[in-house]
Amino acid sequence: GAGVSQSPSNKVTEKGKDVELRCDPISGHTALYWYRQSLGQGLEFLIYFQGNSAPDKSGLPSDRFSAERTGGSVSTLTIQRTQQEDSAVYLCASSFPAQGAQYFGPGTRLLVL
Amino acid sequence: DQQVKQNSPSLSVQEGRISILNCDYTNSMFDYFLWYKKYPAEGPTFLISISSIKDKNEDGRFTVFLNKSAKHLSLHIVPSQPGDSAVYFCAAPTTDSWGKLQFGAGTQVVVTP
Repeated sequence: GAGVSQSPSNKVTEKGKDVELRCDPISGHTALYWYRQSLGQGLEFLIYFQGNSAPDKSGLPSDRFSAERTGGSVSTLTIQRTQQEDSAVYLCASSFPAQGAQYFGPGTRLLVL
Repeated sequence: DQQVKQNSPSLSVQEGRISILNCDYTNSMFDYFLWYKKYPAEGPTFLISISSIKDKNEDGRFTVFLNKSAKHLSLHIVPSQPGDSAVYFCAAPTTDSWGKLQFGAGTQVVVTP
């Protein structure tokens, strides 16, 4: 079946603009996760959803970051008033609930100029 | 607080030989560990996992060993192939939030002919 898909694959934006990143999880996976990887860094957890609710949003770096999930499927990560330090690869993953292995999408490469 | 550590940023190995990747953790409450492989411009791909009730798990050319007393795990790839050239991450779900994986910084493996 289809894997996790993310769009756009690349996004270049100007500092101060808002961006919206989209994730389509694997069909049937009720848990969805967002991570980011900055240049030269490891993967950093941002938030995860179980269904449409977010039990853990502890990794969101600031209140400029928000995420939502509707219909237990698609999720969007929104970054308001982007800053240059937001430049990173934003990765989405999905899984069955409480299953160890999370399956990742290809990521969205965000560059803030 | 980095609770999962990969202290070797890179590893070069000849094709056909064994690759050994190491990972250390600080939280003795971790009970499940995963290894991911990542190619450039792609999302991480789940490779293999191990539960803390085991000390070894094998899947084809990949074997993960867990030494709980030393808080250490390793991934063995035998025999190494050119397609194994990638960045390898170890990860563990945090004890307070199962949806939140903590990743090591990664080890870049280069398999030479």
